[in-house]
Amino acid sequence: DSGVTQTPKHLITATGQRVTLRCSPRSGDLSVYWYQQSLDQGLQFLIQYYNGEERAKGNILERFSAQQFPDLHSELNLSSLELGDSALYFCASSTGQGYNEQFFGPGTRLTVL
Amino acid sequence: AQKITQTQPGMFVQEKEAVTLDCTYDTSDQSYGLFWYKQPSSGEMIFLIYQGSYDEQNATEGRYSLNFQKARKSANLVISASQLGDSAMYFCAMREGFDNDMRFGAGTRLTVKP
Repeated sequence: DSGVTQTPKHLITATGQRVTLRCSPRSGDLSVYWYQQSLDQGLQFLIQYYNGEERAKGNILERFSAQQFPDLHSELNLSSLELGDSALYFCASSTGQGYNEQFFGPGTRLTVL
Repeated sequence: AQKITQTQPGMFVQEKEAVTLDCTYDTSDQSYGLFWYKQPSSGEMIFLIYQGSYDEQNATEGRYSLNFQKARKSANLVISASQLGDSAMYFCAMREGFDNDMRFGAGTRLTVKP
């Protein structure tokens, strides 16, 4: 158990809908990262937050947004969902200092029908 | 351009033998970190080992060691005494700069045979 929690574990929804994925980092970790893992694109970095502020942005679509709250939990919002958004979405956390390893949550498997 | 290259889509190893999973990387930064993660069929990503670009010694964590050859830009993972539970996907990753994202390779699927 990495100490990072993600909810829900599975999510099935329809095209055009909006969903919210939630992540709680390990105790003491200030950085939260979101990744998307799909069969065709592999594991791709989406966005990073550090202590409530956006720090780095990767291949995140404009239909996707994220935020980190004062209690350090984070939410990833996916809107106008398309079939291609079906993937495993990981949240990871780290202390945010230096090149510390990132600890991954169990992931949320999103299926868009 | 690919930052992280894992050239072995799949590897087989006999139980109790050692196996090396290859990883090469591309960076012009002097300061970076290299990581290996394991993803079993259950889907979670498990951190295995870390190597800093300035570390002079190869990193080791139990049965895992990282064969770091800086001049060749390679960071191969060596698993000694393979176990059936080692069967999984293995990802090499690199982070350049403290605030940059972590880039992952395409992964290598390791199968340990009894």
